[in-house]
Amino acid sequence: NAGVTQTPKFRILKIGQSMTLQCAQDMNHNYMYWYRQDPGMGLKLIYYSVGAGITDKGEVPNGYNVSRSTTEDFPLRLELAAPSQTSVYFCASSKTARNNQPQHFGDGTRLSIL
Amino acid sequence: GESVGLHLPTLSVQEGDNSIINCAYSNSASDYFIWYKQESGKGPQFIIDIRSNMDKRQGQRVTVLLNKTVKHLSLQIAATQPGDSAVYFCAENLKAAGNKLTFGGGTRVLVKP
Repeated sequence: NAGVTQTPKFRILKIGQSMTLQCAQDMNHNYMYWYRQDPGMGLKLIYYSVGAGITDKGEVPNGYNVSRSTTEDFPLRLELAAPSQTSVYFCASSKTARNNQPQHFGDGTRLSIL
Repeated sequence: GESVGLHLPTLSVQEGDNSIINCAYSNSASDYFIWYKQESGKGPQFIIDIRSNMDKRQGQRVTVLLNKTVKHLSLQIAATQPGDSAVYFCAENLKAAGNKLTFGGGTRVLVKP
């Protein structure tokens, strides 16, 4: 019962460094999403994907990139880390947009940019 | 833009009492609503959902009410337990926008023994 798995759980980066946040799901879900959650706030959508090879921007995509080469994996890339990207990042997946399926979330990656 | 919001940022409840968490939404075209529970250090956990063609839906100890006239959503938790202490988010979904969720800011529920 793995569901949505995110790695790493914690990371500290220096300004200007790059890293990839990993997300994998084993539920054969077509839709995958990346959100960020700032302290005391709700979640904001960064990027999403409706299937392998297809990605699209969400509400706050600047400074991030994604790829979706397989159904299972949806990595999020930070190319030039900035302090404003300090946040908790959540990956989610859902089976389909039809019939309103709920999104299932991982436990997050806590990222600090210093 | 359209948004989902919550009336109360913190709700203190006596153990055993019922809890009511409220949420206002502004997009009348939203067709699906979800309540999530988020415990400290964890990701949001699905609690219950409701489609726009329904007024009420019940789960185990939880009930969601939808009032489309005033664009209001509520989550009722019966016999609140210490394990219910968490932050609760409502989210609205517009299927026509690709199943993307818009989250409110969250309400923290504190259960007092």
